[in-house]
Amino acid sequence: DIQMTQSPSTLSASVGDRVTITCRASQSISRWLAWYQQKPGKVPKLLIYQASSLETGVPSRFSGSGSGTEFTLTISSLQPDDFATYYCQQYNRCWTFGQGTKVEIK
Amino acid sequence: EVQLLESGGGLVQSGGSLRLSCEASGFTFSTYLMTWVRQAPGKGLEWVSAIDRSGINTFYADSVKGRFTISRDNAKNTLYLQMSSLRAADTAVYYCAKDAGYSDGHEVFDYWGQGTLVTVSS
Repeated sequence: DIQMTQSPSTLSASVGDRVTITCRASQSISRWLAWYQQKPGKVPKLLIYQASSLETGVPSRFSGSGSGTEFTLTISSLQPDDFATYYCQQYNRCWTFGQGTKVEIK
Repeated sequence: EVQLLESGGGLVQSGGSLRLSCEASGFTFSTYLMTWVRQAPGKGLEWVSAIDRSGINTFYADSVKGRFTISRDNAKNTLYLQMSSLRAADTAVYYCAKDAGYSDGHEVFDYWGQGTLVTVSS
């Protein structure tokens, strides 16, 4: 099974900050990596797929990069609506989520 | 508008069974892989099971293999998850989700239902 490890688990940041979340796969997954955003009491929302492709309607301040086993999600200028939990997901072989990164207000 | 409506959750005793349903509308159900993902209270997302568009190929997480069975009825636009030998660790909100259709063989999930809560009492 492919394991996904996110870091950090919690991130405290302010509006306007540049934020980076890292996701590592236990084996190479090429670029089959997605990022989701989930707010409390809401369903997950697909942000990025295939490591760097922005889902329709997602603001351009979100970007993804990486390949193989190391990936990052970057929010270029954190907005109030971005405080949420973010999950990476590999879909190279079946599906596995990372444990999540909670972005909270500093 | 894509809609996914789960039902069938509830309180069940450890060792019991439950069948979840997910009614789909707003898209051609038979042309997309579908999946179940769960989230225990206060915890992260865990992929549970998936089924291809034909219903022939099914996939399971190790944690549910042999206990859960995924199926679909394309004529009824409905996805199912039959859960048996339930354990306290299966307590979670169960979401159904659809494949975004970007890549055959590598699927991500673009629409999710609101979820149905399954509580297993020990």
